[in-house]
Amino acid sequence: DTAVSQTPKYLVTQMGNDKSIKCEQNLGHDTMYWYKQDSKKFLKIMFSYNNKELIINETVPNRFSPKSPDKAHLNLHINSLELGDSAVYFCASSPSIAGDGDEQFFGPGTRLTVL
Amino acid sequence: AQKVTQAQTEISVVEKEDVTLDCVYETRDTTYYLFWYKQPPSGELVFLIRRNSFDEQNEISGRYSWNFQKSTSSFNFTITASQVVDSAVYFCALSEAIYNFNKFYFGSGTKLNVKP
Repeated sequence: DTAVSQTPKYLVTQMGNDKSIKCEQNLGHDTMYWYKQDSKKFLKIMFSYNNKELIINETVPNRFSPKSPDKAHLNLHINSLELGDSAVYFCASSPSIAGDGDEQFFGPGTRLTVL
Repeated sequence: AQKVTQAQTEISVVEKEDVTLDCVYETRDTTYYLFWYKQPPSGELVFLIRRNSFDEQNEISGRYSWNFQKSTSSFNFTITASQVVDSAVYFCALSEAIYNFNKFYFGSGTKLNVKP
């Protein structure tokens, strides 16, 4: 059983389109995250949710809107896609939001290519 | 300022050589956690180790060892007798305890190429 799963694995789309990436974790964790990995492999946090509540919202354009229907799911919707949105997006989860040094479990990533 | 610095962008070694990946961090918190993750060519991120700021003991796991030195704010990772399967990008990360909400700051990664 995959602990943190993401769909789709690859996403190729045209500029201006709207797309969604889905993430699910079956670890029973309270906290989920979205990270963006750019072409230089730099990993940066975008959002964090704890029990469906938004906790961390880094400086991310409004075109990105996360949604957490329940604590096992965190989806990422992107409006009006731009070339610069091309990246690998990783979903992750951890047991809690507390600063206890919990490791984060990462999904396999979604490679988004905007043409 | 970057909280985690991995100055080595890319390292190439020949199989069976030992290699050390450097990680320097910056924090004002007294309680913090350091991590190493591996990202093989297949792309997933694999957790390797976590260390808290109160535990400076070095750790060894098979061919992997980690050297944590608070005096130099470093958490270096050594692979002994490297193998081709060790080829990957390795990330060091920092999580601060206070008001941090378990936010990870990742270094820029070191790409390790192990040649046969």
